[in-house]
Amino acid sequence: AQSVTQLGSHVSVSEGALVLLRCNYSSSVPPYLFWYVQYPNQGLQLLLKYTSAATLVKGINGFEAEFKKSETSFHLTKPSAHMSDAAEYFCAVSEVDTGRRALTFGSGTRLQVQP
Amino acid sequence: DTAVSQTPKYLVTQMGNDKSIKCEQNLGHDTMYWYKQDSKKFLKIMFSYNNKELIINETVPNRFSPKSPDKAHLNLHINSLELGDSAVYFCASSHLQGNYGYTFGSGTRLTVV
Repeated sequence: AQSVTQLGSHVSVSEGALVLLRCNYSSSVPPYLFWYVQYPNQGLQLLLKYTSAATLVKGINGFEAEFKKSETSFHLTKPSAHMSDAAEYFCAVSEVDTGRRALTFGSGTRLQVQP
Repeated sequence: DTAVSQTPKYLVTQMGNDKSIKCEQNLGHDTMYWYKQDSKKFLKIMFSYNNKELIINETVPNRFSPKSPDKAHLNLHINSLELGDSAVYFCASSHLQGNYGYTFGSGTRLTVV
């Protein structure tokens, strides 16, 4: 069975600082991996996805993530945090080429950006 | 233009009532899902339909019954609502095969009083 672990339920950074949100996955085969963002009282918006092409994936709003098979990780980074980045971030995994493509989510990381 | 739309956005109801949440997608996806987000923000799959056929049915109480009249619609009916059903319910859609993303609706916040 696949699973996702997000280290750190809360991360606080200063505006302009590096953002690093950690995600480790467990899957019997290389999966598809996703990062979603949820702003307060809103739905989930896709930031980026890994699909077994390039290991460094660029997403929206300046975010990127690197797939590292040896570490089973898919950490999300942004070089310079902006106040508008404050939100809940979810890492998710999906099985590849099966009849079951539901997403399994991590527990989420709340990003706070201090002025 | 809304890709995945859910109605209603907010639903406040008393214990014991029966309620429905509707979901529609105009993306041409063949698979739709219902997720539940609890008060701690944890998201968990409840059901999935592919071309009107149920393909995922997690350990959800029988009081929850999904219905898919066609592949663009997936409704969720809940009988005998309980306090613990209070949550945000998200509808989503995707293609079953291939590398396609999932698109989520904006959620329905259900409050049972």
